[in-house]
Amino acid sequence: NAGVMQNPRHLVRRRGQEARLRCSPMKGHSHVYWYRQLPEEGLKFMVYLQKENIIDESGMPKERFSAEFPKEGPSILRIQQVVRGDSAAYFCASSPPRAGEVEQFFGPGTRLTVL
Amino acid sequence: AQKITQTQPGMFVQEKEAVTLDCTYDTSDQSYGLFWYKQPSSGEMIFLIYQGSYDEQNATEGRYSLNFQKARKSANLVISASQLGDSAMYFCAMREGGSYGNNRLAFGKGNQVVVIP
Repeated sequence: NAGVMQNPRHLVRRRGQEARLRCSPMKGHSHVYWYRQLPEEGLKFMVYLQKENIIDESGMPKERFSAEFPKEGPSILRIQQVVRGDSAAYFCASSPPRAGEVEQFFGPGTRLTVL
Repeated sequence: AQKITQTQPGMFVQEKEAVTLDCTYDTSDQSYGLFWYKQPSSGEMIFLIYQGSYDEQNATEGRYSLNFQKARKSANLVISASQLGDSAMYFCAMREGGSYGNNRLAFGKGNQVVVIP
């Protein structure tokens, strides 16, 4: 059973370009969480999605950031017009469609570098 | 407001010794969950141990145990018999999702552990 997959593992963009980060949850998982880790910091929650629905986007910056989790295919975190401050590790986690306390399984992360 | 506090500076631990990593948390919820994750230099997040607020016994997973003191709002991680492969950052996290089924996590800033032979 493959774990959570993220690609690319490393992404380099110039200021003003778009970054697209992909996350394929574990098989059978329909809940996806995105977190951002700035250097020397812990992870910060960004957004929580279920299939075709954004459930909680309270951690998303108001501009330039968007996320989706279509019925088919991976979840996508999109950053438009990237700036240097967007350089960070972006982690995706998934959990099964079960209520209550459930463990989140993390992907390996995408390291975004903005030049 | 910071919900998870990890304030210890980087720690050096002798191989085969035990190490305790401190974590305090802040919540007004009666039901919550606490997690510890390990992040080695390769960067991935590895789940170690979970403690539910209603669990009467401290959680244990192999060499990892959680010293849960609910009244003091602390959830310290104890690693016994340290190994060189335990060198990593360790993050304490708490479920903070407000709605039922939302399991988003709030993380502390982490504790750096270096195991020396």
